[in-house]
Amino acid sequence: GAVVSQHPSWVICKSGTSVKIECRSLDFQATTMFWYRQFPKQSLMLMATSNEGSKATYEQGVEKDKFLINHASLTLSTLTVTSAHPEDSSFYICSARVSGGADEQFFGPGTRLTVL
Amino acid sequence: GQQVMQIPQYQHVQEGEDFTTYCNSSTTLSNIQWYKQRPGGHPVFLIQLVKSGEVKKQKRLTFQFGEAKKNSSLHITATQTTDVGTYFCLRLSGGSYIPTFGRGTSLIVHP
Repeated sequence: GAVVSQHPSWVICKSGTSVKIECRSLDFQATTMFWYRQFPKQSLMLMATSNEGSKATYEQGVEKDKFLINHASLTLSTLTVTSAHPEDSSFYICSARVSGGADEQFFGPGTRLTVL
Repeated sequence: GQQVMQIPQYQHVQEGEDFTTYCNSSTTLSNIQWYKQRPGGHPVFLIQLVKSGEVKKQKRLTFQFGEAKKNSSLHITATQTTDVGTYFCLRLSGGSYIPTFGRGTSLIVHP
């Protein structure tokens, strides 16, 4: 089956620093990747849709200058949390759709971000 | 995106009992997907329903899509401890593929 990796799996950083999270589709090409945020015991909230070779589409209320998304290739999308603050601490999960495939999403294992 | 309501939020059952979670939308859905997220894990795709009145089965899991395509349910027969996790429905908005998750139902199975 399609596999999506995410790196790092967890990160602890100081307030004010930037953190980059990578999302890779390992055995398939993904024209579209999604970035979600999940707080404890809550649902996944879509942050943005990342399309290869174009600008990401951000959901309402998500600051594009705060959460920088780059989708430079068909197998890699990155999310950079700039000037992170404690309220940015969360579980960030990416997902990918197979190019030309069905509607299902394949999720990465997630990244636990803790900002001190 | 438009909301999809999912109930209940939590469900405690004894092993062997049945379990059902429901998703409801005020607008017609083009399709609906179901995912399972184990504690500490990530969502895993279970199924997609597209047709009005569709019923699909996966072993002990039965998925239904309402006739009006505004509601869906996931039913687990004779739960096992391996069924523990949070079950989410997901709607896709129109033709632009904007995914919106329901709030999820956490299933706790007591042995």
